[in-house]
Amino acid sequence: NAGVTQTPKFRVLKTGQSMTLLCAQDMNHEYMYWYRQDPGMGLRLIHYSVGEGTTAKGEVPDGYNVSRLKKQNFLLGLESAAPSQTSVYFCASSYPVSSYEQYFGPGTRLTVT
Amino acid sequence: ILNVEQSPQSLHVQEGDSTNFTCSFPSSNFYALHWYRWETAKSPEALFVMTLNGDEKKKGRISATLNTKEGYSYLYIKGSQPEDSATYLCASNTGNQFYFGTGTSLTVIP
Repeated sequence: NAGVTQTPKFRVLKTGQSMTLLCAQDMNHEYMYWYRQDPGMGLRLIHYSVGEGTTAKGEVPDGYNVSRLKKQNFLLGLESAAPSQTSVYFCASSYPVSSYEQYFGPGTRLTVT
Repeated sequence: ILNVEQSPQSLHVQEGDSTNFTCSFPSSNFYALHWYRWETAKSPEALFVMTLNGDEKKKGRISATLNTKEGYSYLYIKGSQPEDSATYLCASNTGNQFYFGTGTSLTVIP
């Protein structure tokens, strides 16, 4: 039981490049989330999904797109990376009621130069 | 956007001391309050989820209380140990949107 995994762990992009971050969970969770974590700020919700085929915007969705084609995977895309997207990205998943705890992945450190 | 605030920002205590920190959140549209423990180079791990006013949860030496009417939660650690050193995050959610505080960084000095 791997829990929540994220790929890649580290990445350096040049401004304007695109990339996709993959989050996978093997706990059969309905809900999945993408957060970013920046110095001096709390985790901020980018997008979330309450089930396969559904996505919704969080607090800071601009510049990101997501897809949930399979229940176990939640992809975060950056179409044209900007230095402001330099951050650590965390994925999380939970059971289908938001009073349940979230399980977090190990994070992806992204640097955009 | 919910404004979730935690205090203090950081804390140093001696091994064996008891300590507590605060999470404040808007009391309107409240759904649940979450506490997480976040060790350096690891992922946040859930400690407690509380939903009802007056809730108290306990896990070993760590406990938490919730006051939804005035919008605050306390996390208590009794007899701090070096392994308690971590950042403690709280988050409030309204439905599916979660809003995290910036955390309290706890260092327990042996």
